[in-house]
Amino acid sequence: DTEVTQTPKHLVMGMTNKKSLKCEQHMGHRAMYWYKQKAKKPPELMFVYSYEKLSINESVPSRFSPECPNSSLLNLHLHALQPEDSALYLCASSPGTSLAKNIQYFGAGTRLSVL
Amino acid sequence: AQSVTQLGSHVSVSEGALVLLRCNYSSSVPPYLFWYVQYPNQGLQLLLKYTSAATLVKGINGFEAEFKKSETSFHLTKPSAHMSDAAEYFCAVTRSGGYNKLIFGAGTRLAVHP
Repeated sequence: DTEVTQTPKHLVMGMTNKKSLKCEQHMGHRAMYWYKQKAKKPPELMFVYSYEKLSINESVPSRFSPECPNSSLLNLHLHALQPEDSALYLCASSPGTSLAKNIQYFGAGTRLSVL
Repeated sequence: AQSVTQLGSHVSVSEGALVLLRCNYSSSVPPYLFWYVQYPNQGLQLLLKYTSAATLVKGINGFEAEFKKSETSFHLTKPSAHMSDAAEYFCAVTRSGGYNKLIFGAGTRLAVHP
C-alpha cells in the first residue's frame, strides 16, 4: 500500500479565513513533504519533515504554518492567504531523506482557491 | 548541481503507437532518477525509478525507461499507447549532498488520439 491521503480535496477560503490541510500516511515513512503546484508547472517544495521535525523550509511565507503531530500526520495551517496562493497543494512521504530512501509517494492533493 | 530537462512540453501520439518521452539529466555523480505521472486533477503517481541497479527499469502500466550514462538520458517509453495514458509526465532527479531534494523537470503533456 503506497497511499497518502489528503483532506479536503477542495477548499475555498477568503483572505481573512483560517483553514488547515491534512495529510496522512500509514506506510511507516519517516519523512513527509508539502509541495505547491500551479497549473501547468511542476511541484515546488515548501516544507520537509524528518522524524517529525521540520528540516527544510523553502523560504515559505509565514501565512503557511506546517505541523507534524506524529509520524503519520502532517498538517498545513493557512491564515491570511492571498489570491496568488491558489494552487494544488500536494503532500508526499518517503521512507527517509537519505538518497536511497528519498523515494516519494504523493497524495491526490487539495485544490485551494483563495477569494 | 543536478537538474533535468524534458524535451518537448507536448507530445501527441496515435493510440497503439510508440510513446517516447525524453529526459536528460545533469549530474556530477550517479543520480537517482524517477518518472511520475499526473492525471488531470490528481496527484503524482510514481511510474518507475532508477537507483543505480539495472539500467533498464520497468514500471507500472507497461512503461519502462533506460538509464544511459553516456547520453545522460533517462527516456520513458511504452510500446503501444492507450487513451488512458493521456496525462502530464514529470522526470525527476534526486540531488545528492546535504538535503536530497527531488528536482522536477518542466513536464511533458502526452495526448493520445484515436
